[in-house]
Amino acid sequence: GENVEQHPSTLSVQEGDSAVIKCTYSDSASNYFPWYKQELGKGPQLIIDIRSNVGEKKDQRIAVTLNKTAKHFSLHITETQPEDSAVYFCAAAYSGGGADGLTFGKGTHLIIQP
Amino acid sequence: DAGVIQSPRHEVTEMGQEVTLRCKPISGHNSLFWYRQTMMRGLELLIYFNNNVPIDDSGMPEDRFSAKMPNASFSTLKIQPSEPRDSAVYFCASSSNGGRSEQFFGPGTRLTVL
Repeated sequence: GENVEQHPSTLSVQEGDSAVIKCTYSDSASNYFPWYKQELGKGPQLIIDIRSNVGEKKDQRIAVTLNKTAKHFSLHITETQPEDSAVYFCAAAYSGGGADGLTFGKGTHLIIQP
Repeated sequence: DAGVIQSPRHEVTEMGQEVTLRCKPISGHNSLFWYRQTMMRGLELLIYFNNNVPIDDSGMPEDRFSAKMPNASFSTLKIQPSEPRDSAVYFCASSSNGGRSEQFFGPGTRLTVL
């Protein structure tokens, strides 16, 4: 099955600086890579996703890059703000026929220092 | 839309008791997923359904766990008998097109088995 590794487990950055979280995956058949943000006491919420036919995707301060050859993908958050503090999860899935669950990384606790 | 609804939000029970967790997916979504979150193992996929049919239950830890989806608007996850190591937050998620689209997570059920 799929295995997703995520680093770092904790990341502390100054407000206004950039944050980068990296993930690797093992199954070359995986073709869908979402990122979820989880705030305390809540369920994960999708913030951005990328499919294997695209190398990069941006949405305002958030961007994701994908390197299929190396089987790794990264989340970039620019101009970080206090409300960005949360746990971030990367995930991978093979989106073939039918429904497929996600294999998640272990999460990164992002702390934005004021 | 009310989003994914889970009940109860908190459950405390004693070892050996039966526990039933409930989920109402977003109306119109045809895929439903059950996940478990613990500090040690992170977010793990337990089982997913597509059009009310279980597609993959390989993540279900053991025979004490069972899940049903009798119709498109309701699913249950049952643990019988419960054990202290089952203590975790259990999330239900739904999507409109299996692994190809965003999964919307419910608020979770925090289960404590004494």
